[in-house]
Amino acid sequence: AQTVTQSQPEMSVQEAETVTLSCTYDTSESDYYLFWYKQPPSRQMILVIRQEAYKQQNATENRFSVNFQKAAKSFSLKISDSQLGDAAMYFCAYRSRGNTPLVFGKGTRLSVIA
Amino acid sequence: DAGVIQSPRHEVTEMGQEVTLRCKPISGHDYLFWYRQTMMRGLELLIYFNNNVPIDDSGMPEDRFSAKMPNASFSTLKIQPSEPRDSAVYFCASRLQGNTEAFFGQGTRLTVV
Repeated sequence: AQTVTQSQPEMSVQEAETVTLSCTYDTSESDYYLFWYKQPPSRQMILVIRQEAYKQQNATENRFSVNFQKAAKSFSLKISDSQLGDAAMYFCAYRSRGNTPLVFGKGTRLSVIA
Repeated sequence: DAGVIQSPRHEVTEMGQEVTLRCKPISGHDYLFWYRQTMMRGLELLIYFNNNVPIDDSGMPEDRFSAKMPNASFSTLKIQPSEPRDSAVYFCASRLQGNTEAFFGQGTRLTVV
């Protein structure tokens, strides 16, 4: 079974600075998807960014980018120019290529300091 | 579309009572997932459906938990009898086959006292 590990339960960053959240996963598959979800205090799960494993290029969405290292099974999220609104729980998730459910890590709580 | 709609947003019940959580997926989506979120265990998959048929219920913790999807636009998760350790946030999510993204509802915060 696939597993997702987020080794940082909590992180903090100064406003306008850059922070990187770590995620590793375990799978024997070669084709899959990886995701980062944001969960603010409202509880809503918001997709931040996704990466297809067959793509070598790292995904980018505005201030959010990933460092996808397939051989190392690592998928970190970098947030640049951090804003107060970025404060939330961040979940890393994995899904096989087939129509299978998401498998989540336990999350990293990010605080942004003004 | 209004997105995935869950009700109620909050539920407080006494131990031993029956609890029913409801979910309306996004119209046209053929996959529906129920997750439970706790501090200790994070987000766990309970069960998922494809075209209203349960595909994998191995995450359902006990026989006290049951889920149904009588039609493409409605699903329920029932706990009977409820226990304090069932207190958690329960999420419903839906997805269209072939799409990568799953869309989540706002969740139901269940408190069993």
